[in-house]
Amino acid sequence: KAGVTQTPRYLIKTRGQQVTLSCSPISGHRSVSWYQQTPGQGLQFLFEYFSETQRNKGNFPGRFSGRQFSNSRSEMNVSTLELGDSALYLCASSSGGARVGVDVLTFGAGSRLTVL
Amino acid sequence: AQKVTQAQTEISVVEKEDVTLDCVYETRDTTYYLFWYKQPPSGELVFLIRRNSFDEQNEISGRYSWNFQKSTSSFNFTITASQVVDSAVYFCALTASLNYGGATNKLIFGTGTLLAVQP
Repeated sequence: KAGVTQTPRYLIKTRGQQVTLSCSPISGHRSVSWYQQTPGQGLQFLFEYFSETQRNKGNFPGRFSGRQFSNSRSEMNVSTLELGDSALYLCASSSGGARVGVDVLTFGAGSRLTVL
Repeated sequence: AQKVTQAQTEISVVEKEDVTLDCVYETRDTTYYLFWYKQPPSGELVFLIRRNSFDEQNEISGRYSWNFQKSTSSFNFTITASQVVDSAVYFCALTASLNYGGATNKLIFGTGTLLAVQP
């Protein structure tokens, strides 16, 4: 069974540019969550999608956006990149339980973004 | 407010030593779940265990064991006879609560403990 696939694994951008990261969840999983990991702030929740609808959103500026497609694949976009956006962006998928905490998240290896 | 505290930033042990990673959480929810994840150098978070707030039974899985105590809001993780392959960052996490009572998989993570096992 294939795991969670994130692309690209590494990328370098300059300030002001935008970036799109992709996440393919485990087959059959309907929920996709995104987290940002930085040395200073640790692991922070960005957003969560279930059946193409944003179910929850973290405390990030509007430059961070995401979406989920009908095949459950998800993308996140960061516009007008800032140096502080350099981070490891982790995607996680789960079956999409109806109750809080029921699901176990399976994480991808992440996309490491460097902003110069 | 919900919070997970992992006070140990970094632990270094010699192979075959036992090591305990501490986790203290704060939540006002009566129903919640706690998790431990491992992050090896490759980057992905690997699920280790989930425990719900109603089950205070300790669990053992091979060399790993977990001690959940609601009275002290702690969910500690012990590795017995540590091995070099155990070297990783370990995260404790708590399910986020929702004001509107819906569903979410959002987790609140601690800052992690870097475990270095020396040969």
